[in-house]
Amino acid sequence: GNSVTQMEGPVTLSEEAFLTINCTYTATGYPSLFWYVQYPGEGLQLLLKATKADDKGSNKGFEATYRKETTSFHLEKGSVQVSDSAVYFCALSDRDTGFQKLVFGTGTRLLVSP
Amino acid sequence: GAGVSQSPSNKVTEKGKDVELRCDPISGHTALYWYRQRLGQGLEFLIYFQGNSAPDKSGLPSDRFSAERTGESVSTLTIQRTQQEDSAVYLCASSPRTGYNSPLHFGNGTRLTVT
Repeated sequence: GNSVTQMEGPVTLSEEAFLTINCTYTATGYPSLFWYVQYPGEGLQLLLKATKADDKGSNKGFEATYRKETTSFHLEKGSVQVSDSAVYFCALSDRDTGFQKLVFGTGTRLLVSP
Repeated sequence: GAGVSQSPSNKVTEKGKDVELRCDPISGHTALYWYRQRLGQGLEFLIYFQGNSAPDKSGLPSDRFSAERTGESVSTLTIQRTQQEDSAVYLCASSPRTGYNSPLHFGNGTRLTVT
């Protein structure tokens, strides 16, 4: 079945550092890929998405590129801020299912210090 | 506007008791999902509702779990005869439409602890 693997956290960075959170997936079809973020005390919210190979999703300075050849969707940001501290979840959905039966990774906690 | 609301935010119950969790979706959202997250694991899909169609219950882990939703309104997730392995955060999400690209809006979850 479909699965998502994320790097374990926490990831601890200083402000303005470069961020990469690795995500790889296993899927039988052609999934859509997502990054969700959960800020402290808030619900999960969609950060960005990509629906086909080589698509790049971007939002709030974060980017991720759908790499079919390496089955990856790594999240990157050039210069993190303290306000980016949160838990980040990589997820996929199988378009054959017809709805967002999302399969999630375990989440990666990011801690950014001033 | 108001987001997805879940209640209670925390619930501690004794093994063997029944619990009911509530989700108020965003008004006008036709799709509603339940997920759970056990400690150290990713979110697991439980059940999906779309309007008045039959729900997709394929993720429910046992017959102790059931969920209801009337039309496009409130949903309740019921766990009967709770077990310690049911301890988790139960998340509800709603979406304005169906389809694999529709964004999900999550509530803050209900943290269930079974002692």
